[in-house]
Amino acid sequence: QVQLVESGGGVVQPGRSLRLSCAASTFTFSDYAMHWVRQAPGKGLEWVAVISYDGSNEYYTDSVKGRFTISRDNSKNTLYLQMNSLRAEDTAVYYCARDLGEATVPVTWGQGTLVTVSS
Amino acid sequence: DIQMTQSPSSLSAYVGDRVSITCRASQDISHYLAWFQQKPGKAPKSLIYAASRLQSGVPSKFSGSGSGTDFTLTISSLQPEDFATYYCQQYIRYPLTFGQGTRLEIK
Repeated sequence: QVQLVESGGGVVQPGRSLRLSCAASTFTFSDYAMHWVRQAPGKGLEWVAVISYDGSNEYYTDSVKGRFTISRDNSKNTLYLQMNSLRAEDTAVYYCARDLGEATVPVTWGQGTLVTVSS
Repeated sequence: DIQMTQSPSSLSAYVGDRVSITCRASQDISHYLAWFQQKPGKAPKSLIYAASRLQSGVPSKFSGSGSGTDFTLTISSLQPEDFATYYCQQYIRYPLTFGQGTRLEIK
């Protein structure tokens, strides 16, 4: 069973930075693209970013471009999301998810980690 | 960006009913459409991709149809565990975008 465990969430002031991690296990991490998807309290799902299996390609939603960076360390089976210049509207549960492979669909999700941006 | 619009936003039904949820894309997305189920406090679960292909382990009571701009998720013989929020998502182009969700409630 694919396992993804996010960590690094917490309360942070506006303008500050935070790095999320997602530890993957029970599958060959380096074979799959990985996603970050977020969900603000009481709201719907918002896709944030994706990184290719080897880290050579990244794509972002417009609202985080230039502030967030997705990266991965295949030797550690870990996905990251570096979040800079955080805003109140970045407050959300952040999920990491493994790509399906044959389609750009986040198919298996972690349990999520809550990021609260507040002064 | 491609906008995804689901209807209805909420839906009430009885156990045993058959229901359909519609998802409309703001432009042609061919068959690049996925459906997810989310229960309160839980991570989403992938149900369908490529508009109509069931993910492994998803029961056949769930079915998807459509292409181009109009898509439908149908759930037959509703059981208590099916009452949840459902989202569609396009993946033909970045940024990936989700519909706003359809909340399915027990009547």
